[in-house]
Amino acid sequence: QKEVEQDPGPLSVPEGAIVSLNCTYSNSAFQYFMWYRQYSRKGPELLMYTYSSGNKEDGRFTAQVDKSSKYISLFIRDSQPSDSATYLCGAQGGSEKLVFGKGMKLTVNP
Amino acid sequence: DADVTQTPRNRITKTGKRIMLECSQTKGHDRMYWYRQDPGLGLRLIYYSFDVKDINKGEISDGYSVSRQAQAKFSLSLESAIPNQTALYFCATSDSGQGSYEQYFGPGTRLTVT
Repeated sequence: QKEVEQDPGPLSVPEGAIVSLNCTYSNSAFQYFMWYRQYSRKGPELLMYTYSSGNKEDGRFTAQVDKSSKYISLFIRDSQPSDSATYLCGAQGGSEKLVFGKGMKLTVNP
Repeated sequence: DADVTQTPRNRITKTGKRIMLECSQTKGHDRMYWYRQDPGLGLRLIYYSFDVKDINKGEISDGYSVSRQAQAKFSLSLESAIPNQTALYFCATSDSGQGSYEQYFGPGTRLTVT
């Protein structure tokens, strides 16, 4: 079992939809949780990160971590075609190495 | 100019050949990483270096070696390439003062081993 599990999708939604992306993790030592976004033929870029449990909001994006259930979520409100990309969840513990999920390919259709 | 550059961007090579992928950064970061990305498997860490004299194996280091020639340069070598090393390879950097969760990735090298 990978330390971070993510459904690879793909996921296709209409423009304006609310998107929910989810991951689970198994290592209780993880303290930082992040979402990276990767456009086609590009390297991943950090979208958001959260320390420990809680929510973090940035515009249309909300990252949520529930350490009791070991659940990582990313919500996208009013999704746009420009949000079409692969989204990778990740986690980091004391070793300072990032562990990534498989990535979910999202397509937002106009 | 890109902060993290990788050369070459695309490479086709034959089984058994030695190949080197190079990474350079102008961000001034002390930490550098090599990942490979495969469909259905996501990003997996090959090697990482927290400073010039520090080299560590990642999740999948077998068949690979690295060299940290300077703070800004980190190269990945495949001593004898095999077809299952066909993948997209990414170099990344981070700053120890800002947390390793924030990594900056290069554009990737698409490697095909025939």
